[in-house]
Amino acid sequence: TQLLEQSPQFLSIQEGENLTVYCNSSSVFSSLQWYRQEPGEGPVLLVTVVTGGEVKKLKRLTFQFGDARKDSSLHITAAQTGDTGLYLCAGANQAGTALIFGKGTTLSVSS
Amino acid sequence: EAQVTQNPRYLITVTGKKLTVTCSQNMNHEYMSWYRQDPGLGLRQIYYSMNVEVTDKGDVPEGYKVSRKEKRNFPLILESPSPNQTSLYFCASSLAETSYEQYFGPGTRLTVT
Repeated sequence: TQLLEQSPQFLSIQEGENLTVYCNSSSVFSSLQWYRQEPGEGPVLLVTVVTGGEVKKLKRLTFQFGDARKDSSLHITAAQTGDTGLYLCAGANQAGTALIFGKGTTLSVSS
Repeated sequence: EAQVTQNPRYLITVTGKKLTVTCSQNMNHEYMSWYRQDPGLGLRQIYYSMNVEVTDKGDVPEGYKVSRKEKRNFPLILESPSPNQTSLYFCASSLAETSYEQYFGPGTRLTVT
């Protein structure tokens, strides 16, 4: 069974601080996706990374896929209160039939 | 508007009373799946469907059934609900397999007493 270990589980920071969320596995994934979920809503895709070593930027968010396609990180620069939410990483298995989710990181950014 | 809809959004029921949660997408997506989300356990896949009439078990299929008679609909059936099926359920769809963006519905909060 493929597993994705996501850390930290909770993060509480002040506006303006930087943070990094990690997603690690012993398994290789064909691609890895990052989602953000607001209370009372379904997850919404932020980014998909496919190639080992790939780095993608989305404004203040930087996503990296490990060279071996087993791990990923999400770095937020100068966090804002609007970044508050649940961040989920999800890896697609090789067959493309399942998306394995990490347990999520609850981020709280206060002003 | 491209979307995945689920009904009902909230449901409180009793043990053993059969129920169906509907899921519909208007994006002509081939792949659809159901997840449950529980505190401390995250999102876990229940069933998925690669296309019409093609369904298969995910990680936690016990106690659930699905069908895919039409491309747009993928209902989740609980034949005899039990309290351990109290959870937040999400339906999702994507263009093809799971490396594509998953579009999630708004969720159905189910309580079984």
